[in-house]
Order: sequence, then structure tokens, then C-alpha cells
Amino acid sequence: AQTVTQSQPEMSVQEAETVTLSCTYDTSESDYYLFWYKQPPSRQMILVIRQEAYKQQNATENRFSVNFQKAAKSFSLKISDSQLGDAAMYFCAYRTPSIEETSGSRLTFGEGTQLTVNP
Amino acid sequence: GAVVSQHPSWVICKSGTSVKIECRSLDFQATTMFWYRQFPKQSLMLMATSNEGSKATYEQGVEKDKFLINHASLTLSTLTVTSAHPEDSSFYICRAGLGEAGTEAFFGQGTRLTVV
Repeated sequence: AQTVTQSQPEMSVQEAETVTLSCTYDTSESDYYLFWYKQPPSRQMILVIRQEAYKQQNATENRFSVNFQKAAKSFSLKISDSQLGDAAMYFCAYRTPSIEETSGSRLTFGEGTQLTVNP
Repeated sequence: GAVVSQHPSWVICKSGTSVKIECRSLDFQATTMFWYRQFPKQSLMLMATSNEGSKATYEQGVEKDKFLINHASLTLSTLTVTSAHPEDSSFYICRAGLGEAGTEAFFGQGTRLTVV
């Protein structure tokens, strides 16, 4: 079974600085998808960034980028120029491509990292 | 992106009563719906997966008679918490899955249930 581990329950960063959130996973699959979700105080789950395992290039979305190390099974999220609105719980998640739709769409979440942004 | 509407956003009910939570995909057909439960400062725990027109598949430890899931159409799934107790108080989130591999999932806004 796949597992996702976020070893940092809490992190803090100064506004405008850069912070990196860690995520490791365990799988025997060769093809899969990885995600970072943000959950602000409203508790709405917001997709931040996604990475396809077959792509060597690290995904980037504006101030958010990932460092995907497939061999090490590591998928860290870097937030540059941190803003107060970035404060939230961040979840790393894993998903296999679907052969059968149900099992393929199943997400496995990490425990989450609570990010605080200090003004 | 696709929109998933979950209703109500919060509800308070008395012990022993039942509460229904709706999850609608507004602009796409969701052949699969996922229901999660989340306790404060914890991760999302998958409760069950439902496919349109068939019975839901429940995760181990989740009481299917207590958490009734219906997926009657491609745009609507409901979760009914029957005979609610205070320990059922939690945050419940639905997620609608699209049919193609590689497509991200779309979450509803969540429902905060408080049983008094």
C-alpha cells in the first residue's frame, strides 16, 4: 500500500521569505501523480500544484515549485516570496493512474504541515 | 476548474437525529464520488467511495449503516449520518472524480457537523 509522510507538523516563515515543505512517499508503482493541496482556515481544499511521475521536469505554478526526486521518493514544495495568504495547512497527496476509475482516483494524503507566515 | 458544491456548509443537530449532506458536481459528470472525514488538525480520512447507480464501497472501520451514501445521479451524491451522536461531530468533505486518468479531483467546500 502507498503511504505518504510529512515529517513537519508545523513550519513558519517570514513574509517575503522562502520556505520548503517536505514530503516522502512509498510506492512500488512506476507511474503515479503527486499533489500538494492547501487548506486555509475556511477548510476548502485547494489544489496548489501537481506532478506526473513520468515527467522529469519539476512542476511550477507562480511562486510555488516542487523538487521531485523520484529515486528518493521525495516531493517537496517550495514557496517563494511568502505571503500572509499562504498561511494554511498543506497536504501532500499521492494517486495512481486509473485503470479502474475508482481505485485510480483514490488519493492518499500525508498528515499535513501547518504553515504560519509571520509579518 | 470544475465546481463541486457541498451543502450545507455547517449544521447542528440533536443526538439521535439524522443529517443529510449533499454534494453536487455543477459543470461535469462525476462518475465517482469520495467522502472524507477530517478531525481538527488532522488529515483527511477516506470513508467511502461511490459510483453512480451502485452501492458505495466503505473503508475498513466505517459503519455503512451509520453513514449512508447514495449516488443516484452523475451529478449528485449524498451522505446521511443516521442516529447522530456527539462523536460524529466532524468536518465532512466530498470529492468528485472525473473519468480520465490524470485529471485532478475536485473537492466540495466541506460540511461542519456538530451533534449536541
